[in-house]
Amino acid sequence: NAGVTQTPKFQVLKTGQSMTLQCAQDMNHNSMYWYRQDPGMGLRLIYYSASEGTTDKGEVPNGYNVSRLNKREFSLRLESAAPSQTSVYFCATGTPGSGNTIYFGEGSWLTVV
Amino acid sequence: GENVEQHPSTLSVQEGDSAVIKCTYSDSASNYFPWYKQELGKRPQLIIDIRSNVGEKKDQRIAVTLNKTAKHFSLHITETQPEDSAVYFCAATDKVDKLVFGAGTILRVKS
Repeated sequence: NAGVTQTPKFQVLKTGQSMTLQCAQDMNHNSMYWYRQDPGMGLRLIYYSASEGTTDKGEVPNGYNVSRLNKREFSLRLESAAPSQTSVYFCATGTPGSGNTIYFGEGSWLTVV
Repeated sequence: GENVEQHPSTLSVQEGDSAVIKCTYSDSASNYFPWYKQELGKRPQLIIDIRSNVGEKKDQRIAVTLNKTAKHFSLHITETQPEDSAVYFCAATDKVDKLVFGAGTILRVKS
């Protein structure tokens, strides 16, 4: 039982390159989330998916796209990476309003040069 | 939408002293308030949570209190130890049950 698994853990991109962060959960939760964490900014929601087949924008969606492939998997894509997207990205799953708190993956450290 | 403010941004205490971190929220419909601890280079991990029908919850040296009227909740850590040093985040649910996080508090426990 791995909980929430994200790949890759570290990535360096050049400005303009694209990449996809992968996330999978084995906790059987309907909801999944992508957050970014910058120093002093806390955790900011990029996109979330309340159930398979649905996705919604969070607080900072610009420059990102997501795909909820099935109940287990939720990917985050950077189409044309920018230095401002240098951050730590966390995938999470859980339904806090229904009694299931949010559990985070280990994080993906992304640097855009 | 929901807004969560957290204070202080940094807190230094002597080992053995108590630490208190406070958060306020804006949405009176919020019904779930977790606290997460994040050590350097690690993921945030839940340490305690409280629901809106409860005023206080305790787990060993950690307690959380909730004042729904004033829309604020607090984390209390007693008998602090060096391993309590970390960043602590509060959060509250918004109208569609997503968590909105505070900006975090860096807690340093000096031995």
